[in-house]
Amino acid sequence: GDSVTQTEGQVTVSESKSLIINCTYSATSIAYPNLFWYVRYPGEGLQLLLKVITAGQKGSSRGFEATYNKETTSFHLQKASVQESDSAVYYCALSDRGNNYAQGLTFGLGTRVSVFP
Amino acid sequence: DAGVTQTPRHEVAEKGQTIILKCEPVSGHNDLFWYRQTKIQGLELLSYFRSKSLMEDGGAFKDRFKAEMLNSSFSTLKIQPTEPKDSAVYLCASRQGQGDTGQLYFGEGSKLTVL
Repeated sequence: GDSVTQTEGQVTVSESKSLIINCTYSATSIAYPNLFWYVRYPGEGLQLLLKVITAGQKGSSRGFEATYNKETTSFHLQKASVQESDSAVYYCALSDRGNNYAQGLTFGLGTRVSVFP
Repeated sequence: DAGVTQTPRHEVAEKGQTIILKCEPVSGHNDLFWYRQTKIQGLELLSYFRSKSLMEDGGAFKDRFKAEMLNSSFSTLKIQPTEPKDSAVYLCASRQGQGDTGQLYFGEGSKLTVL
């Protein structure tokens, strides 16, 4: 089946420093999946941060960027300069187009990011 | 537009009790999902409805978990009987349906604690 791997369960970073959260995926269909980053801020529900549905393209939102790399099957999330307000749990996910989107989204286990001043 | 609404936000149950969690999807969305979220397993799919028809019943969760879609704007998840291992956050999500990018819209979740 489909799978998403996030290698870091928790990341601690100083304010204004750069951040990268690794994500690799495996999709069973022959077509390329759609890729997403979701975020859960403290006290809030899971919400979409960004999505990319075309291989080779980059998505961006709130200063975060992620590039859909079909060669390495990766979708790493990066931000050049983080703020305390970026402290949250980030989830990488895929939606398998070849499976007609059945099963909803397949999620990674999440990466908890703590930004300290 | 209102997002996905879940109630209750918190539920505490004794082992063996029956609990019912409720969800109202985004108006006009045809697909509805129930997920269970734990730190160890992450997000696990419990049920998936398309236009009120059950498409996926979550395999391993069939025995004590039953999701229903009473109409296009209301769904319930019943856990009967509850066990301590059911303690988790239960998330409801909806999406427009076939032809979209697959993006899901989530509720804030119902946190269940089983003693």
